[in-house]
Amino acid sequence: AQTVTQSQPEMSVQEAETVTLSCTYDTSESDYYLFWYKQPPSRQMILVIRQEAYKQQNATENRFSVNFQKAAKSFSLKISDSQLGDAAMYFCAYRRFQGAQKLVFGQGTRLTINP
Amino acid sequence: DAGITQSPRHKVTETGTPVTLRCHQTENHRYMYWYRQDPGHGLRLIHYSYGVKDTDKGEVSDGYSVSRSKTEDFLLTLESATSSQTSVYFCAISEAGSVTDTQYFGPGTRLTVL
Repeated sequence: AQTVTQSQPEMSVQEAETVTLSCTYDTSESDYYLFWYKQPPSRQMILVIRQEAYKQQNATENRFSVNFQKAAKSFSLKISDSQLGDAAMYFCAYRRFQGAQKLVFGQGTRLTINP
Repeated sequence: DAGITQSPRHKVTETGTPVTLRCHQTENHRYMYWYRQDPGHGLRLIHYSYGVKDTDKGEVSDGYSVSRSKTEDFLLTLESATSSQTSVYFCAISEAGSVTDTQYFGPGTRLTVL
């Protein structure tokens, strides 16, 4: 079974600085998807970024980018120019490429932005 | 935003009572999911559906049942609620083969079992 681990329960960063959230996963499959979701205090789950394992290029969405290291099974999220609105729980998630589209989530990292 | 609603949004009930949570979508997506969120565990899959009347178990399905009689509705039932089922429940939808092929989540239901 696939597992996802986020080893940082909490992180904090100064506004306008850069922060990196860590995620590792375990799988025996070669093709899969990885995601970062954001959950602000409103509780809504918001997709931040996704990465297809067969793509070597790291995904980028505005201030959010990932460092995908397939051999190391590592998928970190970098937030540049942190803003107060980035404060939230961040979840890393894995999904198989084929078959049922079930997501396997990590435990989450709570990100605090200090003004 | 994907058209997903959950009802009720909050519910307090007593141990041993039946509870049904409803997820409704307006996107006509094939796949629907129920997750629960607990501190220290992230979200965990309870059940999912890959079409009308087609459902399967997730990793934490004990004590839960589901039904999907229409594309737009996916019901989660706790036949006899227990305190361990106090949680936040999220519904999600996705469409295989779409450009994004991504799961979108509803607003969640906070359930408290006393």
